[in-house]
Amino acid sequence: GQNIDQPTEMTATEGAIVQINCTYQTSGFNGLFWYQQHAGEAPTFLSYNVLDGLEEKGRFSSFLSRSKGYSYLLLKELQMKDSASYLCAVRGHNNNDMRFGAGTRLTVKP
Amino acid sequence: DTEVTQTPKHLVMGMTNKKSLKCEQHMGHRAMYWYKQKAKKPPELMFVYSYEKLSINESVPSRFSPECPNSSLLNLHLHALQPEDSALYLCASSKPRGSEQFFGPGTRLTVL
Repeated sequence: GQNIDQPTEMTATEGAIVQINCTYQTSGFNGLFWYQQHAGEAPTFLSYNVLDGLEEKGRFSSFLSRSKGYSYLLLKELQMKDSASYLCAVRGHNNNDMRFGAGTRLTVKP
Repeated sequence: DTEVTQTPKHLVMGMTNKKSLKCEQHMGHRAMYWYKQKAKKPPELMFVYSYEKLSINESVPSRFSPECPNSSLLNLHLHALQPEDSALYLCASSKPRGSEQFFGPGTRLTVL
């Protein structure tokens, strides 16, 4: 089975940095994904990690430690439009088997 | 063309109705997915098709029947649904061993 945990809600200030953590316990691992989802919209892909380390993409970075079953998404220079849910998802041994965490609802305040 | 389209955007149906949700992509992706998402919950995987063959069925009730007529199209046939089936139904596609899934905008289904 799979267990994916992330905080339910976070609040941060415009211009600041926020780190959203994700821990997972899975029977197989073949990659970890972060998606952003605005209310009423479909998820959009942010980042993908399959090897340990940091992946940077503009204002967004994602880190993975496979031995610890841990990942984080780092958002820099926060903007109001970053208020959304951030979903951590793990792919199992079957390349098409993707499981989502419950999501972290981020609110960015002025 | 880098998008997944879904029709209809909204659907209201009674418990005795039969309806279908449609999904289309022209990115050459050979894996397509159906997810169900309730309010304030994450997407839950329902079905996966890989190379037009059903590869994952997450013990979904038989009142949901998927179909993949060709590599670009994915349908979800609905029959005798229950009010608790009301949700956002998301379609996604990816390369079979790809790094990301592309999601459609979803169909918001209400069962009365």
